[in-house]
Amino acid sequence: GAGVSQTPSNKVTEKGKYVELRCDPISGHTALYWYRQSLGQGPEFLIYFQGTGAADDSGLPNDRFFAVRPEGSVSTLKIQRTERGDSAVYLCASSLEGLGTEAFFGQGTRLTVV
Amino acid sequence: GDSVTQMEGPVTLSEEAFLTINCTYTATGYPSLFWYVQYPGEGLQLLLKATKADDKGSNKGFEATYRKETTSFHLEKGSVQVSDSAVYFCALTGSSNTGKLIFGQGTTLQVKP
Repeated sequence: GAGVSQTPSNKVTEKGKYVELRCDPISGHTALYWYRQSLGQGPEFLIYFQGTGAADDSGLPNDRFFAVRPEGSVSTLKIQRTERGDSAVYLCASSLEGLGTEAFFGQGTRLTVV
Repeated sequence: GDSVTQMEGPVTLSEEAFLTINCTYTATGYPSLFWYVQYPGEGLQLLLKATKADDKGSNKGFEATYRKETTSFHLEKGSVQVSDSAVYFCALTGSSNTGKLIFGQGTTLQVKP
């Protein structure tokens, strides 16, 4: 596709459930980032992939959060045992090579934990 | 650690008014600085950037100058339009070499006809 695609656009889940959020980056972009944006705040970095490997996962808040990018393209952010505090918009961005190249953002997945 | 502070909003202006949104930062090294914009119902878009001290980024009538001495990157536009109504985020690349962005909290701009 022409841009970064995230699915689903909205997800409502019950506390304690497992969720997966998907990101389709721009074709050919080796760098992929996940951010989390709480209401009224700026996006906060979660994890950075260069190719298939997680080069920086320092922003993941705890071990309930995990992300993969097995073939260096599509990425999935996985959240186990969801909590109400996980409710936020999860943004994905991709760039051609990482540092020094423009990051393009998807429209995000709005996750609501009830 | 690295951080970005923006002026709080919302900012409400009449069409054709002058706009300033203040942004200051704390960073080690020499970060690149960015302004992103989020229009209603759309994703974040890069508005402009500056990669070194005294650089001026500009786009769509918006400008910002990288001021290392005051650690600032204020966004300005001489004459705003209703279509500029959006949320504006100041950001910098962190001290790592990954290209990850550190964002301010965002400033909502509402322009009235």
